[in-house]
Amino acid sequence: GAVVSQHPSWVICKSGTSVKIECRSLDFQATTMFWYRQFPKQSLMLMATSNEGSKATYEQGVEKDKFLINHASLTLSTLTVTSAHPEDSSFYICSAYSLGTSGRTYNEQFFGPGTRLTVL
Amino acid sequence: GQSLEQPSEVTAVEGAIVQINCTYQTSGFYGLSWYQQHDGGAPTFLSYNALDGLEETGRFSSFLSRSDSYGYLLLQELQMKDSASYFCAVRDSTDKLIFGTGTRLQVFP
Repeated sequence: GAVVSQHPSWVICKSGTSVKIECRSLDFQATTMFWYRQFPKQSLMLMATSNEGSKATYEQGVEKDKFLINHASLTLSTLTVTSAHPEDSSFYICSAYSLGTSGRTYNEQFFGPGTRLTVL
Repeated sequence: GQSLEQPSEVTAVEGAIVQINCTYQTSGFYGLSWYQQHDGGAPTFLSYNALDGLEETGRFSSFLSRSDSYGYLLLQELQMKDSASYFCAVRDSTDKLIFGTGTRLQVFP
């Protein structure tokens, strides 16, 4: 199956600093990637849809100025948590669909391994 | 609003069969997926139903009834390694996945 990587796998930062998380599709091109946040023992909450070459689409309640998303190429999307605070500590996961030869997406959404952010 | 409800926890013994239900209420529906997630790990895809009926993949089967906005995941011949959280997720027309509340499955020897 298709592989999605994330970097870093974990990060600890001080309150007020910014953190960038990278999401890469390693063996396929992804025009669309998704960013999720997951708090302990809770479900995945979709934060935004990242579109290559255009602005991201944010879900209701997600601050676009705080969570900056850049989808610079067909294999890379980045999420920057600006001025991070302890309440931003969470597990951030990206995902993507790969396209079949017909151009349609497969049914399976491939997830990255996640990035655990801890803000002190 | 959109909601997908699942039982919070299910327990069973090795070799048993369990069914995890999912009822959904969403503004759009393109298919129902099931994902498994072990603690600290990424979700992994298990199955997808776009049409009514049963889909079987090895020990796992998934069922969908669109008229009832209901689906379930059936796990047979349970193994210890099946202990994990299981999420149903509705795929909408924009390819977004809306995840359910999640069910924590604990398998005992």
